[in-house]
Amino acid sequence: AQKVTQAQTEISVVEKEDVTLDCVYETRDTTYYLFWYKQPPSGELVFLIRRNSFDEQNEISGRYSWNFQKSTSSFNFTITASQVVDSAVYFCALIANDYKLSFGAGTTVTVRA
Amino acid sequence: DVKVTQSSRYLVKRTGEKVFLECVQDMDHENMFWYRQDPGLGLRLIYFSYDVKMKEKGDIPEGYSVSREKKERFSLILESASTNQTSMYLCASSLISGVQPQHFGDGTRLSIL
Repeated sequence: AQKVTQAQTEISVVEKEDVTLDCVYETRDTTYYLFWYKQPPSGELVFLIRRNSFDEQNEISGRYSWNFQKSTSSFNFTITASQVVDSAVYFCALIANDYKLSFGAGTTVTVRA
Repeated sequence: DVKVTQSSRYLVKRTGEKVFLECVQDMDHENMFWYRQDPGLGLRLIYFSYDVKMKEKGDIPEGYSVSREKKERFSLILESASTNQTSMYLCASSLISGVQPQHFGDGTRLSIL
């Protein structure tokens, strides 16, 4: 069985600060995929990124960046120069050979103006 | 653009009622999913379907059933609603490959009184 842990329940920052969301995962499968989703107050989960287990290259997309480290089973997400619109719940998730998406508990990010 | 539509944003029902939650996707996706979201628990998979008239139990299927008579529609049924089924319910769909990103609806906040 897979497990995803997001130890940070809530994070509050002031606008323009950087914020890093931690994600640690457990799986016995060698092939797996990791995801990050954003859930704004409107409720709909928005897909942000997918990374497979064989690609440890870090990725940057605008103010978002992701750090994947297999050695520590972590897939952390950083928002640079945060904005009020970044306020949301962020979920890390994993899918492996059972093709079931396992979610972490989520981290609520509040960005204050 | 990708669209997953859930029939209700808010729903209030009484204990013992039979409740239907409807989900429609317009992307011709083979896979469809039902999750419930509770604070501190993230999203938990109730049921999923990888084809018409096919269904598989997720992690928490007890008290629920599903129906998929057409490819675009996936219904979640609470046979006899109970107060512990008060939750946010999210529907999702994805392409046939299990590792493709899932696209989510806006969610239905269901209250059982």
